[in-house]
Amino acid sequence: SQTIHQWPATLVQPVGSPLSLECTVEGTSNPNLYWYRQAAGRGLQLLFYSVGIGQISSEVPQNLSASRPQDRQFILSSKKLLLSDSGFYLCAWSGGLARGNEQFFGPGTRLTVL
Amino acid sequence: KNQVEQSPQSLIILEGKNCTLQCNYTVSPFSNLRWYKQDTGRGPVSLTIMTFSENTKSNGRYTATLDADTKQSSLHITASQLSDSASYICVVGSSGGSYIPTFGRGTSLIVHP
Repeated sequence: SQTIHQWPATLVQPVGSPLSLECTVEGTSNPNLYWYRQAAGRGLQLLFYSVGIGQISSEVPQNLSASRPQDRQFILSSKKLLLSDSGFYLCAWSGGLARGNEQFFGPGTRLTVL
Repeated sequence: KNQVEQSPQSLIILEGKNCTLQCNYTVSPFSNLRWYKQDTGRGPVSLTIMTFSENTKSNGRYTATLDADTKQSSLHITASQLSDSASYICVVGSSGGSYIPTFGRGTSLIVHP
């Protein structure tokens, strides 16, 4: 069966510090991968998605970046965090259009920027 | 523009009561519609997924309906439990080649004892 992992679960960082959140998927190959952010009481905002190694599409201009160094690894980064980067970050994977593009979500990372 | 609208935004019910959540969408071409449950501080978990040809699907006390003609879906929760307190998110996928589904903003359900 497939599983998706995110870490860390929670993170408190000062403004201006760097960020690295990691997401890994097990039990599947060549998944589509997604990073979402969810502000308190709000819906999910798509940040990045990837259909293959080294292929990253950005949905929202921001000071965040994403990378996919391996097939089942997706990393969200920032060189300098802003207060507005605080939120709940979710990674998701899907099997592509052939499987209805149903998404499966990780447990999330709660980021607080102070 | 593809959109998914959910109502109500929030709902409070007593334990044991039934409730129905609504989802209207304008996604085209339509591929499938999913309902997710998101507990506070957790990732969303899929409850049901329906394609164009399906008009109802059940998962325990959860029953989803789909009317592809009117582009509406509902999620009915029977005999609610305290553990049903969560956000319920409607997500619509497109068959137009996009890898990006369209999310609703969710309905926040609180079940009181």
